Amino acid sequence: DAGVTQSPTHLIKTRGQQVTLRCSPKSGHDTVSWYQQALGQGPQFIFQYYEEEERQRGNFPDRFSGHQFPNYSSELNVNALLLGDSALYLCASSSVRAGAYNEQFFGPGTRLTVL
Amino acid sequence: GDSVTQMEGPVTLSEEAFLTINCTYTATGYPSLFWYVQYPGEGLQLLLKATKADDKGSNKGFEATYRKETTSFHLEKGSVQVSDSAVYFCALSDKVTDKLIFGTGTRLQVFP
Repeated sequence: DAGVTQSPTHLIKTRGQQVTLRCSPKSGHDTVSWYQQALGQGPQFIFQYYEEEERQRGNFPDRFSGHQFPNYSSELNVNALLLGDSALYLCASSSVRAGAYNEQFFGPGTRLTVL
Repeated sequence: GDSVTQMEGPVTLSEEAFLTINCTYTATGYPSLFWYVQYPGEGLQLLLKATKADDKGSNKGFEATYRKETTSFHLEKGSVQVSDSAVYFCALSDKVTDKLIFGTGTRLQVFP
């Protein structure tokens, strides 16, 4: 059973560019959350998608947007990249059907470097 | 808002030493509490969890007890191994939103 997968592994962009990161959830999961982890920091919640809609959002600007597809996979898009967007971007999947506590399983992340 | 505070690292120990990593939280409700571990170059793995007061989570020799009176969830292990070297994150989750709020992480280095 494949866990959460993310692509690409690494990415280098320049300021002002746009980037798209991709995530495939663990089999049987229907909810995808995205987190940004700056170097030496804990992950920060960006947003969560369920049934192809953004269910909740953290304190991130509108430059950060996302999408969830009918197969539950998800994309994170960041426009007008800033140097401060350099970070490890983590995707986590979970299942609403799991009950009261929806354990989140994390992917290996995409390392984004903005030059 | 809700937050998690954990001890600064790095924590440097010899193999077989006792480990404690302190974690305290601030939350308006009754969150679930977690410890995640991140090995070099990898994503996060759930180490253990507790969903209500006085629950003890345990896994791979690690333990943590949900203490509501002191709003703490300290991680302990009786005898660490070199393979335990990693960054450990304490986190909480609001039971309604499932959003995870993490501490800044504590790096553990274990030497033979």
